[in-house]
Amino acid sequence: GENVEQHPSTLSVQEGDSAVIKCTYSDSASNYFPWYKQELGKRPQLIIDIRSNVGEKKDQRIAVTLNKTAKHFSLHITETQPEDSAVYFCAASMNNDMRFGAGTRLTVKP
Amino acid sequence: GAVVSQHPSWVICKSGTSVKIECRSLDFQATTMFWYRQFPKQSLMLMATSNEGSKATYEQGVEKDKFLINHASLTLSTLTVTSAHPEDSSFYICSARDKSVPYEQYFGPGTRLTVT
Repeated sequence: GENVEQHPSTLSVQEGDSAVIKCTYSDSASNYFPWYKQELGKRPQLIIDIRSNVGEKKDQRIAVTLNKTAKHFSLHITETQPEDSAVYFCAASMNNDMRFGAGTRLTVKP
Repeated sequence: GAVVSQHPSWVICKSGTSVKIECRSLDFQATTMFWYRQFPKQSLMLMATSNEGSKATYEQGVEKDKFLINHASLTLSTLTVTSAHPEDSSFYICSARDKSVPYEQYFGPGTRLTVT
């Protein structure tokens, strides 16, 4: 089955700096790669996603890149703000099977 | 649109009893629903996938006789934790896929189960 690895497990940045989280996946058949933000005790919130026919997608301060050949994808957050502090999960999906990375705890220091 | 609700939001039960958690898609039809378990400071672990009108598919290591899943309609799936033990205490989250929107899953708010 699919195996998703996510790094780093924790990330601390200064407000205004950029943050990058990286994930790799094992199943080349995976074709959908969402990123979720989860605050303590709450549901994961989809923040951006990318499909396997696209290499990069951007939404304001958030961007995701996908390298199908290398089977890795990354989340980029620019101009970070304290409210970006949360746990971020990547996931890889094919049909009904979605697997999550272990998560990255992002702390943005004011 | 694409709202998923869960009930209850939290529950405390005694060891040995059973607890039922409901997951509803409020404004769309969900042919497939997923049940995840999340322990503190850990990731979401898929427990099972349920398709409306058919038996759930359980992930390896998840006891189907302990975690009973029913997906009787296009808007409702239930997870029953039978003979609950303290180690079953966790955050249970469901998600649903809109049959008209491929790929994306919509998550419920989660249910925190504490078994004493």
